[in-house]
Amino acid sequence: AQSVTQLDSQVPVFEEAPVELRCNYSSSVSVYLFWYVQYPNQGLQLLLKYLSGSTLVKGINGFEAEFNKSQTSFHLRKPSVHISDTAEYFCAVSEQAGTALIFGKGTTLSVSS
Amino acid sequence: DSGVTQTPKHLITATGQRVTLRCSPRSGDLSVYWYQQSLDQGLQFLIQYYNGEERAKGNILERFSAQQFPDLHSELNLSSLELGDSALYFCASSPLSGSRTGELFFGEGSRLTVL
Repeated sequence: AQSVTQLDSQVPVFEEAPVELRCNYSSSVSVYLFWYVQYPNQGLQLLLKYLSGSTLVKGINGFEAEFNKSQTSFHLRKPSVHISDTAEYFCAVSEQAGTALIFGKGTTLSVSS
Repeated sequence: DSGVTQTPKHLITATGQRVTLRCSPRSGDLSVYWYQQSLDQGLQFLIQYYNGEERAKGNILERFSAQQFPDLHSELNLSSLELGDSALYFCASSPLSGSRTGELFFGEGSRLTVL
């Protein structure tokens, strides 16, 4: 069965600092990987996705993630964060397009000045 | 705006009661998914419908049921409500079951409070 572990429940950083949000997954087959962001009182919005091909995936708002099959990881990075990046970030996995995504428990990113 | 519409946005009710949450998927999307988000359990997949038929079940309680209608909107019915059912319920949609992208499009959720 698939599972997702987000290794940090909370990540506090200062504005303009780099950040990495860690995600590890467990699956016996090839996977599709996603990062979603949830701003307060809003739904989930897709940041980026890995389906196949290049292991470095670029998304919206300057975020990128790297798929590492040997380490079963899909860490999210941003070289310089803004106050507006403060939100909840969710890593998710699915084994087949069109099936439900399995989410991690989320990481709260808090950016302060 | 994802194009997925959920109503009501907020709902307060009492234990033992029954509520219905409604979801309209994006135009053209055939699959609808329901998720429950709570502080202790995170985002839990409940159930998926595809073109009116149940496609997959997750951690959905027997007190909960769902259906997808011919116009593709979906309803999640929660009955015999307990305090622990208080949560944010999300609906998501995607195109064909065999979508190449795998991405789900989420609504803004229905916040249920059981008192």
